This record gives sequence, structure tokens and C-alpha cells, in this order.
Amino acid sequence: NAGVTQTPKFRVLKTGQSMTLLCAQDMNHEYMYWYRQDPGMGLRLIHYSVGEGTTAKGEVPDGYNVSRLKKQNFLLGLESAAPSQTSVYFCASSYVQGRHSNQPQHFGDGTRLSIL
Amino acid sequence: DAKTTQPNSMESNEEEPVHLPCNHSTISGTDYIHWYRQLPSQGPEYVIHGLTSNVNNRMASLAIAEDRKSSTLILHRATLRDAAVYYCIRRGTSYDKVIFGPGTSLSVIP
Repeated sequence: NAGVTQTPKFRVLKTGQSMTLLCAQDMNHEYMYWYRQDPGMGLRLIHYSVGEGTTAKGEVPDGYNVSRLKKQNFLLGLESAAPSQTSVYFCASSYVQGRHSNQPQHFGDGTRLSIL
Repeated sequence: DAKTTQPNSMESNEEEPVHLPCNHSTISGTDYIHWYRQLPSQGPEYVIHGLTSNVNNRMASLAIAEDRKSSTLILHRATLRDAAVYYCIRRGTSYDKVIFGPGTSLSVIP
């Protein structure tokens, strides 16, 4: 049971390039989330999804797009990368059972992205 | 405001109990308190959560104040593997209001 798997683990981009980060979960979770973490800071929510085919904005959505075409996958896209998007990106997923706020999130190990 | 307040850092001796405090003075009646920890170069890991009552699991205990304005994560016997950043967060009904602050960096001294 792999849990939450993020691909790639590391990437270096040039300003203006585009890329897609992939998150896959094998726990049949309904909810999925993308966060970014900058040095010395906590996590900030970029986008989230409450089910296949749905997405919504989080705290810091600008410059990112997401898609949830399959329940197990949540993709994060950078259309035109900027140095300010250098960060560690974490994906998470959680169950729907009872209250949403009662369910823990399961995190991947992150994607370290540097934009030059 | 969905933020919580935690000390920036704490130290503990190995094999001693650790009490990690968290203030959430503006918590609403339906918000759960969740704790996560993050080891170096890893994603956050769920530790424990609760609403009103104290909670125990194999990793830790969570003591919630009667007025719910604060809580304490208790590690009964710190080990070197417990050295991590510990996050206390509120989880309510709004998905976009989950805020992970800087957390508490716990150092465990052998």
C-alpha cells in the first residue's frame, strides 16, 4: 500500500517553462489537496478537490491550475513558472466519512521544485 | 481567524515526557483540533485529533482544555525519532481555512 505518491521528487525549471506535478493515492479517498511549503514556514493550501471532476481554490491559487479527472489522481500545473514558485509541494488526501473536519490528511513526501 | 499559536521551539531530554502547547482562543464549537508532525525531508504525518474529550493513541495523547481555547500534545516518552516540527491546526467545515502555521520545532537531547 503506497499511500500518497508524488511525481517527480525533484525538478529544476527555467522561468517561463511549464510543468505538471502528479499526485496519486491508492486509498480511495474523496478529498485531495495541494500545499506549498516555503523555508521556515508552515503549509499553505493552493487548491483542493472534494471529488472526481471538482476543484476549488485555496489560500494561494494564483499561478497554478489543477485537474482531477480520475479519483485517484490530482494534478498541479504551472503554466509559466516564476522564481517565486520555488518551493516544496505537498499533496494530501483524506476520507469522506462523517464530518470532513474529523478526518486526518495523508501526505506524500513532497516535490522539491526550483525555478531559476 | 483560523490560526493557532505555538511556541517556535522546545527541547526535551530523551525518555522524558514532552508537553507541546497550542492556543486556539477563537475556536468554534464545530472545529476539531488536529496535530501533525513533520520529520526532516518528509511530508507531514498525522498524530492525533480531538473535539472536546482527551484522546489517546499509540503515538501520543491530546489534552483539550475545558473551554477548548487551548490543547496540549503529550509525548509520554520522547525518543530521538520524535525530533520534528509539530503542527497544531483547527479543522472546521471550510476546506480552505485549514492553516498550518510555523509549528513547534522539537529537539530531543540524548
